[in-house]
Amino acid sequence: KNEVEQSPQNLTAQEGEFITINCSYSVGISALHWLQQHPGGGIVSLFMLSSGKKKHGRLIATINIQEKHSSLHITASHPRDSAVYICAALFLTNTDKLIFGTGTRLQVFP
Amino acid sequence: DGGITQSPKYLFRKEGQNVTLSCEQNLNHDAMYWYRQDPGQGLRLIYYSQIVNDFQKGDIAEGYSVSREKKESFPLTVTSAQKNPTAFYLCASSIIGRDQPQHFGDGTRLSIL
Repeated sequence: KNEVEQSPQNLTAQEGEFITINCSYSVGISALHWLQQHPGGGIVSLFMLSSGKKKHGRLIATINIQEKHSSLHITASHPRDSAVYICAALFLTNTDKLIFGTGTRLQVFP
Repeated sequence: DGGITQSPKYLFRKEGQNVTLSCEQNLNHDAMYWYRQDPGQGLRLIYYSQIVNDFQKGDIAEGYSVSREKKESFPLTVTSAQKNPTAFYLCASSIIGRDQPQHFGDGTRLSIL
């Protein structure tokens, strides 16, 4: 069965802290997406990766294909990073649609 | 600026009423998608379309209908057959092909009166 699990569900941090959000998936994938959902509901695509590591500003996404695991890191966190972070996988057995995790709600306090 | 526009932002439905959610994109994307988001659950695919005048059911299509008469537009109708329509609805679009990122609208929140 194609499944995506995220942890933790909720995360609070002080401004400046290093943040890690985890995503595990059940079987082989062709790509994994990290998305950010703002408090108003709009979603922005952060990363799409199938191997290795990608970096954009203070955000870093890594993926370990053998362990079926991806992480999203935020360095020097800021209150404006407060959002829900969602991972979604495109499984090799079904490449027509993304399977989404339930999201990690991050709150960064000043 | 290119993007996806969903309207309205908030929508209320009476019992037995059909309502239509609008989704328009000017990104020249061939593929468009409708998702439903409920608290504590991941986004679930309702319908998707990869070409004008063609669309496929997703995981939770019952009680919903769509049309794709123009490349830019993919409206979703929530019919009276959908008994639990209260949710947040998101529209997305992408270039066709594996491993293409999806671009999302700002969503429509539907509630029952």
